[in-house]
Amino acid sequence: RKEVEQDPGPFNVPEGATVAFNCTYSNSASQSFFWYRQDCRKEPKLLMSVYSSGNEDGRFTAQLNRASQYISLLIRDSKLSDSATYLCVVNMDDYKLSFGAGTTVTVRA
Amino acid sequence: DAGVTQSPTHLIKTRGQQVTLRCSPKSGHDTVSWYQQALGQGPQFIFQYYEEEERQRGNFPDRFSGHQFPNYSSELNVNALLLGDSALYLCASSLERTGANYGYTFGSGTRLTVV
Repeated sequence: RKEVEQDPGPFNVPEGATVAFNCTYSNSASQSFFWYRQDCRKEPKLLMSVYSSGNEDGRFTAQLNRASQYISLLIRDSKLSDSATYLCVVNMDDYKLSFGAGTTVTVRA
Repeated sequence: DAGVTQSPTHLIKTRGQQVTLRCSPKSGHDTVSWYQQALGQGPQFIFQYYEEEERQRGNFPDRFSGHQFPNYSSELNVNALLLGDSALYLCASSLERTGANYGYTFGSGTRLTVV
């Protein structure tokens, strides 16, 4: 079983729509959780950390369910600039980050 | 304040050759991690260096080796290149005392193509 699994998509949504997707992780002892954004052929960039109580950053909302070992990301009022691959990332020990394969989101005009 | 810098940005090598990739960490950071990202996949952890020692290693063969210098910069070496080594190689730096708890900042990567 992969350490982090994501629905690859793609999610094709119109501007202004809401889009949401999840990932699951295998290690119940995982310590911290993140969503990264990666544009085509660029490096991953930290979008937001994910906290147990859930958290928002502008139009982005992240949720963590430790009991079910899944993480979600919701994007409200989608913009063309939100088109990217979103990587679910889990810190399973003090040293390494484990990445999902990414969920592709395309926002169309 | 420079972030993580990597060189070269692109590289083409022939099967069987050896390659060295370089990374300078963000100012003030003392730990360097290397990741390999194949097309369509998420980054995979290769290893991490701290105090010039390899501290943890992912599931990569011994053909992949590294080094960290006293100024915290790092090199990734890959011997006997295979076509499957073609990927984006990412370097991330961090502070040892915070570990991975706040995520990592990545360099822009080296895109290696093996032909």
